[in-house]
Amino acid sequence: QVQLVQSGAEVKKPGASVKVSCKASGYTFTSYGISWVRQAPGQGLEWMGWISAYNGNTNYAQKLQGRVTMTTDTSTSTAYMELRSLRSDDTAVYYCARVTRLDAFDIWGQGTMVTVSS
Amino acid sequence: DIQMTQSPSSVSASVGDRVTITCRASQGISSWLAWYQQKPGKAPKLLIYAASSLQSGVPSRFSGSGSGTDFTLTISSLQPEDFATYYCQQANSFLWTFGQGTKVEIK
Repeated sequence: QVQLVQSGAEVKKPGASVKVSCKASGYTFTSYGISWVRQAPGQGLEWMGWISAYNGNTNYAQKLQGRVTMTTDTSTSTAYMELRSLRSDDTAVYYCARVTRLDAFDIWGQGTMVTVSS
Repeated sequence: DIQMTQSPSSVSASVGDRVTITCRASQGISSWLAWYQQKPGKAPKLLIYAASSLQSGVPSRFSGSGSGTDFTLTISSLQPEDFATYYCQQANSFLWTFGQGTKVEIK
């Protein structure tokens, strides 16, 4: 079945970096884009950015520009999101999601909890 | 950036009630709007895309309407499994924004 499986929970210190993976299966990876969305505890959904799995083009939310990098490895059908210079307010559940041709997010990963604490 | 404003932020309703949630975009987005349902501790689930198209497997009591700047999600007869938080989302030139969410609670 079509699914996205994310890497496990992370605990990081302020100023460190984190890299979360998102492995796709059950569909042709390069036919869809992947977006990343995060959710701080008790808060709403925040879109972080998008990457085309076809050609690697990216678009990032303005507030994260310069701190976030999204990549893909088509040989393993895996997308990655790296966030640098972590702060306490980056503590959140991070989701990857498949982007349809009509720009909706139809398949979601299970989420990865990233905790930033000294 | 396009801002999305949902109302109300929460609504209390009973099983069988008709529930309507609205979403307003800060500028016209044609029909590039989706609706999601999220339950505690779970990933969001796509309900509606392209403003009014029902995602496969989603019950027909869910419907979406609108275009331009004003959109509506309607649950025609609320079921126990529908108590959750609902988000609208716009798409514009590979930039996306979510509304702040509407929590549907048991009355």
